[in-house]
Parts: sequence; C-alpha cells; structure tokens
Amino acid sequence: EAGVAQSPRYKIIEKRQSVAFWCNPISGHATLYWYQQILGQGPKLLIQFQNNGVVDDSQLPKDRFSAERLKGVDSTLKIQPAKLEDSAVYLCASNDREGNTIYFGEGSWLTVV
Amino acid sequence: AQSVAQPEDQVNVAEGNPLTVKCTYSVSGNPYLFWYVQYPNRGLQFLLKYITGDNLVKGSYGFEAEFNKSQTSFHLKKPSALVSDSALYFCAVRDLYNTDKLIFGTGTRLQVFP
Repeated sequence: EAGVAQSPRYKIIEKRQSVAFWCNPISGHATLYWYQQILGQGPKLLIQFQNNGVVDDSQLPKDRFSAERLKGVDSTLKIQPAKLEDSAVYLCASNDREGNTIYFGEGSWLTVV
Repeated sequence: AQSVAQPEDQVNVAEGNPLTVKCTYSVSGNPYLFWYVQYPNRGLQFLLKYITGDNLVKGSYGFEAEFNKSQTSFHLKKPSALVSDSALYFCAVRDLYNTDKLIFGTGTRLQVFP
C-alpha cells in the first residue's frame, strides 16, 4: 500500500514569510499527526486529528501555526509568519483505528533564513 | 506522564560486532513501545514494537528489542552490525491514556565503522 505522502520535501523561506505543507495519509487511516523535529531533538507533536476533528493541538503555536483537515483525508499545515526557530523537519504520520503502529512520511524540511 | 529516555547520544560499534541502543521508559499502566530509525534526509521508519506477549520482539533489518518490565527498559539490539545501520534511532511510547500520540526520546546516533 502507498505510504504517507508529503510535499514539498524541501523549502527555504525568509523570516516573516509564509509556508504551507501538505500531507496525504495512508488510505483509510482516520488519525493524522503533524510532528515538528528540530535538529538534534526527538519529534514533538504539533497537532493530532481524528477524521476532521482536532484531538490535541496543545503544543501548536497558534499565533503563527494553523492546520486543517477539512474532508478527513489530506491535511495542510501553515506557518505565517515564519521565525528562524521554525527551521525544522515537519513530519506527517497516520494510523488506523485498530492499528498500533503509526507510520510517517518522508518529512518536509524547512529552513528559515 | 509518559516518557522515554535514551541515555546515549551516540553509540559507536565496529561492523560485525553486536550493537545495543538503550531505552528506558516511564509509563502508567502497560506500555506500548516502539523503535523508529531515521536515515539522513529521510522520515522515520518503523522498526518494531512491543504491545504484549513475548518479551523479545523481532523487527525489520535484523533488529530485535527486549522488553524488561523490572528494569523498565526496551533496548534495541542486533547481533551483527552493518555499516548501513548507521542512522539516528528513536525510542517512543504510545500515550494510550491521553490522546494516543507517540512520545519520543531524544534519539541515539548509531555509527558503525568498517
């Protein structure tokens, strides 16, 4: 089966600009996660969706980050305006209701200059 | 709160030797534990998991992990290391009692020398 798809793979932007990342989870997976991985650290959850509803967004910097999953399938994560400290890998992941394993995409690598 | 700790930032091993990457956990209730690997410029790849049952879990690429409840550990092992095993390894616990998310350790860089 196809894995979690993410785009773009790489993005370089100037601070205060905006950027959007897209994720298409594995077909049939109801739960979708966005993680942020800063260099040298483990991934940290930004937001978790169950279908098109938000389960956990407690760690999402809501003044600049937003995410949506309007039809309960693919999702978009937006950063506006970007800061230097937003330079990181943004990982999308998904799992189904019965599965215990969470599968990750290849990540979107953001550099803010 | 659920957490995992990876006490070693880096592990160095010679090719052909056995390797161990350490992980300890702190959870409420029964733990769901995972190992993921990250190669340069790639996402996280699932290696193996412990949910219940046999304490020795076998996974991808010849890796295995031993669940030890008394020591609250879930160390990753491989009998004979390959240079191609060089990567970043993350231990994680599934937060079943909260929002079901994965909580990761800080990662251990494995370097296998020829």
